[in-house]
Amino acid sequence: EVQLVESGGGLVQPGGSLRLSCAASGFTFSDYWMHWVRQGPGKGLVWVSRINSDGGSTTYADSVRGRFIISRDNAKNTLYLQMNSLRAEDTAVYYCARDRNYNLGDVWGKGTTVTVSS
Amino acid sequence: QSALTQPASVSGSPGQSITISCTGTSSDVGGYNYVSWYQHHPGKAPKFMIYDVSKRPSGVSNHFSGSKSGNTASLTISGLQPEDEADYYCCSYAGSNTWVFGGGTKLTVL
Repeated sequence: EVQLVESGGGLVQPGGSLRLSCAASGFTFSDYWMHWVRQGPGKGLVWVSRINSDGGSTTYADSVRGRFIISRDNAKNTLYLQMNSLRAEDTAVYYCARDRNYNLGDVWGKGTTVTVSS
Repeated sequence: QSALTQPASVSGSPGQSITISCTGTSSDVGGYNYVSWYQHHPGKAPKFMIYDVSKRPSGVSNHFSGSKSGNTASLTISGLQPEDEADYYCCSYAGSNTWVFGGGTKLTVL
């Protein structure tokens, strides 16, 4: 079964850091671009970041560029999102999703919740 | 990276058809045929419903269809069913390896 499982969410103070993980199974992880998408409380889905299949190319939404770092370990079939300098507005459910030829998200995880609050 | 414009809500009765619009610009929706649609029930993973503007992944009912004209993409659900009630989001490739979502549309089946 093709599956993505996020972990690493939690409560963090403003200015703090957190690293999210997304474990992939059921497909050849190293063949696919991957994305992070978030949904704030009562808000819509927002694209956060993308990484290509070998990890050599990354892109970010303006709102997180310079603070978040996307990476992957193809040997461990795992995608990461290092989140630094966290702000209250980063509070959201964070989803990882698999890319399908420039169509974001043919497979999604169930999400992990990040709360930024003092 | 401005969000695509979707109506906040639409509604219809069982058996009716509804259409959800998704308006962007020539830099996203109008510039690429990489528009996708997702069905999202709160607390669950979004479900991939349409890709490449009008293609359906295997397992998605053919009462869902997609189209595009200029800078506006549309999702049509024909023969509404109670289980279609959900939030729906469009997403478009926006060039330079960036993507943009619509604000989401809440579908109510009356």
